[in-house]
Amino acid sequence: AQSVAQPEDQVNVAEGNPLTVKCTYSVSGNPYLFWYVQYPNRGLQFLLKYITGDNLVKGSYGFEAEFNKSQTSFHLKKPSALVSDSALYFCAVRDGGAGTALIFGKGTTLSVSS
Amino acid sequence: AAGVIQSPRHLIKEKRETATLKCYPIPRHDTVYWYQQGPGQDPQFLISFYEKMQSDKGSIPDRFSAQQFSDYHSELNMSSLELGDSALYFCASSLETSGSYNEQFFGPGTRLTVL
Repeated sequence: AQSVAQPEDQVNVAEGNPLTVKCTYSVSGNPYLFWYVQYPNRGLQFLLKYITGDNLVKGSYGFEAEFNKSQTSFHLKKPSALVSDSALYFCAVRDGGAGTALIFGKGTTLSVSS
Repeated sequence: AAGVIQSPRHLIKEKRETATLKCYPIPRHDTVYWYQQGPGQDPQFLISFYEKMQSDKGSIPDRFSAQQFSDYHSELNMSSLELGDSALYFCASSLETSGSYNEQFFGPGTRLTVL
């Protein structure tokens, strides 16, 4: 069965510093990986995805993620954090093709201090 | 850009009542997904429809049913509501073609409170 793990419940960074939110995956075939962000009482917003190709994926709002097959990781990164980046971040893996579910990690709360 | 529309946004029901949640996908999207998110939890997949046919099924209780209509909107019907059904229910949509792994776009959610 497909699964993702987010080892940190919370990540704290100062504004302007780089941030990393960690995610590791376990899949039986090719990994199809996604990052979403959720603000309080809001829906999930898509940030980026890895399907195939370059290991460094660029997404929305200056975020990027690095796919590492040997370490089975897909860490979310941003060179310079903003206070407005404070939110709940979910890593997810697609369970298959058309119409199949996203399986989410437990989420990591990112707190950026000014 | 048009987004996924969910109605109602908030719903309060008593135990053992029924509820119907509606979802209107992004125009031209052919796939709809339903997720349940409890307080402080990650979203849990319930069910999905691709081109109006049930595609995938997750941890959806037998008391719940769903369908996708000819205009691609979807409804989640929930009966014999229990206190534990109180949660945020998300609908998501995507445009799927053969061999694609496209992102799902989420609606704002329906907050269901069962008293």
